Amino acid sequence: AQTVTQSQPEMSVQEAETVTLSCTYDTSESDYYLFWYKQPPSRQMILVIRQEAYKQQNATENRFSVNFQKAAKSFSLKISDSQLGDAAMYFCAYRSFIRGAQKLVFGQGTRLTINP
Amino acid sequence: GAVVSQHPSRVICKSGTSVKIECRSLDFQATTMFWYRQFPKQSLMLMATSNEGSKATYEQGVEKDKFLINHASLTLSTLTVTSAHPEDSSFYICSARDHRGQTDTQYFGPGTRLTVL
Repeated sequence: AQTVTQSQPEMSVQEAETVTLSCTYDTSESDYYLFWYKQPPSRQMILVIRQEAYKQQNATENRFSVNFQKAAKSFSLKISDSQLGDAAMYFCAYRSFIRGAQKLVFGQGTRLTINP
Repeated sequence: GAVVSQHPSRVICKSGTSVKIECRSLDFQATTMFWYRQFPKQSLMLMATSNEGSKATYEQGVEKDKFLINHASLTLSTLTVTSAHPEDSSFYICSARDHRGQTDTQYFGPGTRLTVL
């Protein structure tokens, strides 16, 4: 079974600085999807970024980018120019590429605090 | 992104009563929806996968007779907590699978906080 590990329960960063959240996963599959979701205090889960494992290029969405290292099974999230609104729980998630496999496997989460 | 709504956002009920939570995909059809449970300061725990027109698939350890799931249309899934007890108090979140085009991503509802007295 696949597992996702986020080894940083909490992180903090100064406003306007850059922060990187770590995520590692374990799988025997060669094709899969990886996601970062954000859960602010409202508890609404919001998709931040998504990466297909067959794509070598790292995904980018405005201030959010990932460093996807397939061999190392690592999928870190970099937030540039941190803003107060970025404060939230961040969850890394894995989903199999196998047709019909739809379940997301979540990591434990990292609570990100933005210091003004 | 796609929009998923959930109703109610909060519900308080007495022990022994049943509570129904609705999950709707507002701007897309979702053949598959998911129900999660989240305890304070913890990650999401998948309870079941809901497929339109068929029986839900429950995760190990989840009582299907207690957590009834119905997915009668392509935009609506419901979770009914039957004979609720205080230990059922939790935050319940649904998600819907959007696989239009190349997307194939789960979008989440805003969650329902259930308190059983």
